[in-house]
Amino acid sequence: GENVEQHPSTLSVQEGDSAVIKCTYSDSASNYFPWYKQELGKRPQLIIDIRSNVGEKKDQRIAVTLNKTAKHFSLHITETQPEDSAVYFCAAITGFQKLVFGTGTRLLVSP
Amino acid sequence: DSGVTQTPKHLITATGQRVTLRCSPRSGDLSVYWYQQSLDQGLQFLIQYYNGEERAKGNILERFSAQQFPDLHSELNLSSLELGDSALYFCASSVTRGANTGELFFGEGSRLTVL
Repeated sequence: GENVEQHPSTLSVQEGDSAVIKCTYSDSASNYFPWYKQELGKRPQLIIDIRSNVGEKKDQRIAVTLNKTAKHFSLHITETQPEDSAVYFCAAITGFQKLVFGTGTRLLVSP
Repeated sequence: DSGVTQTPKHLITATGQRVTLRCSPRSGDLSVYWYQQSLDQGLQFLIQYYNGEERAKGNILERFSAQQFPDLHSELNLSSLELGDSALYFCASSVTRGANTGELFFGEGSRLTVL
């Protein structure tokens, strides 16, 4: 089955800096890679996703890159703001199979 | 509001007891997923249903069971509860088209406390 590793587990940055979170996956057949943001006490919400036929995707200050050969994908947040502080989860899925989440990265953006 | 409804929001019970958590997916979503999130932990996949049938299984204990009904709502049954079962249980739903899974929409979760 799929296994997703995520690092770092915690990340502290200053407001305006960039933040990068990295994930690796084990199943080469995985074809869908979403990123979820979970604020304290709230439900996870999708912030961006990428499919295996695309190498990069951007949405304003966030971007995701995918390297299928190395089986890793990354989340990039530029010009971080205090409201970006949350736990971020990467995930990977194969076809209809289960969506497996990484262990999460707690991002703290200090003013 | 994600459109996914979970009840109850909070539940406190004793060890050895049995509880049922309920989830109503977004209108039109055929897939329902259950996840367990212990304090400061990640999202552990429990089980997935698609249009009434079990589709994938994760690290779900034998004491736990689930089903999806013809109206597509789902229930997660937890029995012989232990202290370690205390967690936030999330239900999520998605539209699954062909071989591609779409975005998962999460409910607000059911917080279970076992005393």
